[in-house]
Amino acid sequence: NAGVTQTPKFRVLKTGQSMTLLCAQDMNHEYMYWYRQDPGMGLRLIHYSVGEGTTAKGEVPDGYNVSRLKKQNFLLGLESAAPSQTSVYFCASSPTGGFEKLFFGSGTQLSVL
Amino acid sequence: AQSVSQHNHHVILSEAASLELGCNYSYGGTVNLFWYVQYPGQHLQLLLKYFSGDPLVKGIKGFEAEFIKSKFSFNLRKPSVQWSDTAEYFCAVNGLGANNLFFGTGTRLTVIP
Repeated sequence: NAGVTQTPKFRVLKTGQSMTLLCAQDMNHEYMYWYRQDPGMGLRLIHYSVGEGTTAKGEVPDGYNVSRLKKQNFLLGLESAAPSQTSVYFCASSPTGGFEKLFFGSGTQLSVL
Repeated sequence: AQSVSQHNHHVILSEAASLELGCNYSYGGTVNLFWYVQYPGQHLQLLLKYFSGDPLVKGIKGFEAEFIKSKFSFNLRKPSVQWSDTAEYFCAVNGLGANNLFFGTGTRLTVIP
């Protein structure tokens, strides 16, 4: 049972490049989340999904897009990367809302030069 | 809007010392409260949570936290820390029914052998 798997683990981009971060969970969870973690800022919610085919904006959605075409996968896209998007990105999943059981991935460290 | 404050940014203790990490939140309604731990290079793991009932909750690895509603606080405690407790600790708050978990900025704990 792999839990929540994020790929890639590390990535370096140049300003203006695009990329997609993949989050996959094998626990049949309905809810999935993308957070970013910045020094001195804690984790902030970017986007989330309450089920296959649904997405919603979180606290800091600008510059990101997401898709949940399959229940097990939640993709985070950066169309035109900016240095301000240098961060560690965490994906999480939960069987229900309320955050009672939230499982995190191991993170993706992204640097935008 | 919800917010979470963790006043201690970096705490350094010797092994066997007692630990108390502060967490205060602002939210006008019913809340669910969490403490997460992030060991170096790892993903966030749940230490303990409070949803209702006894305001003193016990978690894994000997940690406990007390919810004091009148003070909007949820401080984390451990009577005797170990070197293996070296990690970053995050307090988080979810307003009942809301689709976001708000994290504090984290407290880095260093335990000296």
